[in-house]
Amino acid sequence: GAGVSQSPSNKVTEKGKDVELRCDPISGHTALYWYRQSLGQGLEFLIYFQGNSAPDKSGLPSDRFSAERTGGSVSTLTIQRTQQEDSAVYLCASSLGPGLAGGPSTDTQYFGPGTRLTVL
Amino acid sequence: AQKVTQAQTEISVVEKEDVTLDCVYETRDTTYYLFWYKQPPSGELVFLIRRNSFDEQNEISGRYSWNFQKSTSSFNFTITASQVVDSAVYFCALSEPPLGGKLTFGQGTILTVHP
Repeated sequence: GAGVSQSPSNKVTEKGKDVELRCDPISGHTALYWYRQSLGQGLEFLIYFQGNSAPDKSGLPSDRFSAERTGGSVSTLTIQRTQQEDSAVYLCASSLGPGLAGGPSTDTQYFGPGTRLTVL
Repeated sequence: AQKVTQAQTEISVVEKEDVTLDCVYETRDTTYYLFWYKQPPSGELVFLIRRNSFDEQNEISGRYSWNFQKSTSSFNFTITASQVVDSAVYFCALSEPPLGGKLTFGQGTILTVHP
């Protein structure tokens, strides 16, 4: 079956512009995660959606970052007023979820190919 | 706090050599999950294995094997008879249910297998 898809695969933008990154999870997966991979910081968690629960935004680095998930499926990560330090590969993952008694998902996360963002 | 350490930044071997990638983790929870992912030059993270904290059985899958030892908080990964296609960055990761299942990754080990 189809895996996690992300678009665009590459995005080049100018400092100060807004960007939107899209993630389409595996069909039937209720949990969706965004991570960022950069040279200096490695792989870091950004935000987590589980079903209709309030998202866990604890990893978002600043209020310029936001994400939404419409209809429990597709997610969009928005970065406003981009800065050069936002340059990174943004990875999306999904998992079956939820966990025991409807709690957080502990299932294996499957990753998309990522969006490489370059801020000039 | 949760932490994953992959002390080996880069490893270089010649084809057919065995190689072990080390992973040490820190957690306060008794229930947790450990993962290994492979990131080939194409960039996509590929899932390799998932183990829960209650299952210390070692696992073998083809040329891959994993040694999970709670006593030393380690989850090491061995590739037997390495091949050029094994060249990639390998990440160890930790997931703790109380934290919502998000993954904490190690810094990764770059493995280069020379022909």
